[in-house]
Amino acid sequence: EADIYQTPRYLVIGTGKKITLECSQTMGHDKMYWYQQDPGMELHLIHYSYGVNSTEKGDLSSESTVSRIRTEHFPLTLESARPSHTSQYLCASSEYQGAPSEQYFGPGTRLTVT
Amino acid sequence: DAKTTQPTSMDCAEGRAANLPCNHSTISGNEYVYWYRQIHSQGPQYIIHGLKNNETNEMASLIITEDRKSSTLILPHATLRDTAVYYCIVRVARYGGSQGNLIFGKGTKLSVKP
Repeated sequence: EADIYQTPRYLVIGTGKKITLECSQTMGHDKMYWYQQDPGMELHLIHYSYGVNSTEKGDLSSESTVSRIRTEHFPLTLESARPSHTSQYLCASSEYQGAPSEQYFGPGTRLTVT
Repeated sequence: DAKTTQPTSMDCAEGRAANLPCNHSTISGNEYVYWYRQIHSQGPQYIIHGLKNNETNEMASLIITEDRKSSTLILPHATLRDTAVYYCIVRVARYGGSQGNLIFGKGTKLSVKP
């Protein structure tokens, strides 16, 4: 089983609040990712990181920001939540070097902004 | 990046083999075929990947045609727990830049029925 964790699993919050979704992995993976998925829809990559102090935007534009101060930790922040941010957010990690390797996904955070 | 085409949905009887097709007619020589699945709204799970040769692991077999323009994921004895959305993804196996990132399409919704 993959050792990648996300908290909280569910979050209901009011418009305008600042939120941080946590993601941690204990596998020593350099590369980490955040995906966004609306119910019944495709996963879209919104952020990724190659390692400490590296962050890149993904294929889908997002108002969220990320940081990578420690290898194992890749939090996602929304400064001012809006109903349009209601979605599931999935974090993943993978090795960065060598032969192709799989991405390990966390259980996701289901965010509802009222 | 090579695009993939998968059927929207498939049914399979419990205990029978599930054969999930994927077309990737524009695949390049350095691109791998990856398969992931997503059960309900959990994080996707890696299944298998391959370049040219057929591959088998404890979860599934991957059959890639000689011209590499299509592939088939085989679950040899499908169970109810295999009901999920199955994603076929084609990507280069390089982790420099965004080329190693996975792009998830709509996938095939496999329903395993008793």
